[in-house]
Amino acid sequence: EAQVTQNPRYLITVTGKKLTVTCSQNMNHEYMSWYRQDPGLGLRQIYYSMNVEVTDKGDVPEGYKVSRKEKRNFPLILESPSPNQTSLYFCASSLGGLTDTQYFGPGTRLTVL
Amino acid sequence: AQSVTQPDIHITVSEGASLELRCNYSYGATPYLFWYVQSPGQGLQLLLKYFSGDTLVQGIKGFEAEFKRSQSSFNLRKPSVHWSDAAEYFCAVGRGGSNYQLIWGAGTKLIIKP
Repeated sequence: EAQVTQNPRYLITVTGKKLTVTCSQNMNHEYMSWYRQDPGLGLRQIYYSMNVEVTDKGDVPEGYKVSRKEKRNFPLILESPSPNQTSLYFCASSLGGLTDTQYFGPGTRLTVL
Repeated sequence: AQSVTQPDIHITVSEGASLELRCNYSYGATPYLFWYVQSPGQGLQLLLKYFSGDTLVQGIKGFEAEFKRSQSSFNLRKPSVHWSDAAEYFCAVGRGGSNYQLIWGAGTKLIIKP
C-alpha cells in the first residue's frame, strides 16, 4: 500500500531533550516536506527536500534540522526542543513537487514541557 | 509578504444545501493554487489544484473551485453537501510561483446541520 508513515504518532518530552521524528514513504517520491499545524494558523512549512541531499528552508525552520540521505526517509530533528515547538507535525511527499499530488502522513502530536 | 486568507473560521450549512468556501491570496502573477481537506478519518487530502488553463477546476468528492484573477480568489464550491463533508478545509498557494514552497490559509471548519 502506498503510504507516508511517521513515528512516533504521539510524544511528550521535556525542554532540551533531543528528539527525532521519522518520516518514510514507499512511493519513490523525490519531493518531501515537513509542516507544523497550530490552531488558528493553519499549516506552516518547516523544511522541504527536492531530492536526496537537497533540502531547503520553509517558513519556520528555526529550531529544526532535517536530512535526506535516502530517497524514502526525511527525518525531522529537534536538537533542543522548547515549549513553543509543541504542535502537530505532518510529513508529506510527492513525485516531483507541488504540481504533483502531495500525500500526507498521519501526523505526530508533540508536546514539549 | 505573500499571504493566503480564508475569511471564515467556521461555516455551518444544512445537509443538502450548497457550499462556498472563500479563499483570497496576495501574489502578482498566477500562483499554484490548492484546496486540501482535513478530516479525522482520512487525514489531509488534496481536493483539487489549479495551475493554468480553464479557471473552473473539478476535484474529488464533487468539489469544484473557480480561479478569479481580478479578485485574487480561488473559492471552493459544492452544490449539495453531505454529512461526511464535515471537516476542515485549507486553501494553499505556491510561494512566488515555487513548485516546492507552500503557504497555507488558516482553515475553515465546515459544520453540517442535519
